[in-house]
Amino acid sequence: ETGVTQTPRHLVMGMTNKKSLKCEQHLGHNAMYWYKQSAKKPLELMFVYSLEERVENNSVPSRFSPECPNSSHLFLHLHTLQPEDSALYLCASSQGHLKGDIQYFGAGTRLSVL
Amino acid sequence: AQKVTQAQTEISVVEKEDVTLDCVYETRDTTYYLFWYKQPPSGELVFLIRRNSFDEQNEISGRYSWNFQKSTSSFNFTITASQVVDSAVYFCALSETSGTYKYIFGTGTRLKVLA
Repeated sequence: ETGVTQTPRHLVMGMTNKKSLKCEQHLGHNAMYWYKQSAKKPLELMFVYSLEERVENNSVPSRFSPECPNSSHLFLHLHTLQPEDSALYLCASSQGHLKGDIQYFGAGTRLSVL
Repeated sequence: AQKVTQAQTEISVVEKEDVTLDCVYETRDTTYYLFWYKQPPSGELVFLIRRNSFDEQNEISGRYSWNFQKSTSSFNFTITASQVVDSAVYFCALSETSGTYKYIFGTGTRLKVLA
């Protein structure tokens, strides 16, 4: 199943810009996730939404603001980012938010902060 | 504390060779799940397998096989007769049944299959 779509695929932004990442899942899942993937680090879970409610916020700086308007869509709003925020941002979804549920990932947004 | 270790940072093999990717995990839970994902250059993580802690049967799917050994806390992945299309980064992950919703990912093993 590759039913998770992320846009844009690439994004370059200045430190004072505001931009948003979008994720859409076509799998009928109830849980959605944002991950950050930096070079040579394990994937870092940022946010978890289940049935449009945020159930996990992993001490993410407030310059990252998630939004989940419905179970199919997830956004990550970005403002006043730092160069160290440059990374691949991956969205995932799963049927539920139970431990052991298989997560299906999108192709990611490659973000560069100048 | 939960942890996943993939000690092999990068492996290069010649096409048709067999290759094994190692995964060692740490958990205090008696019930947990283990996963393998493949990340090709296109970026998305592709789910390969899920195994729960009560099922120690090895699994084979085509050229892929997985060896789960609770006694050594390992969940190794073997590709038989590797192909260039197998070139990717492979991640092992752990999901516990207590605590948070997290997958704990290893740092990945980059596999290069040379023609």
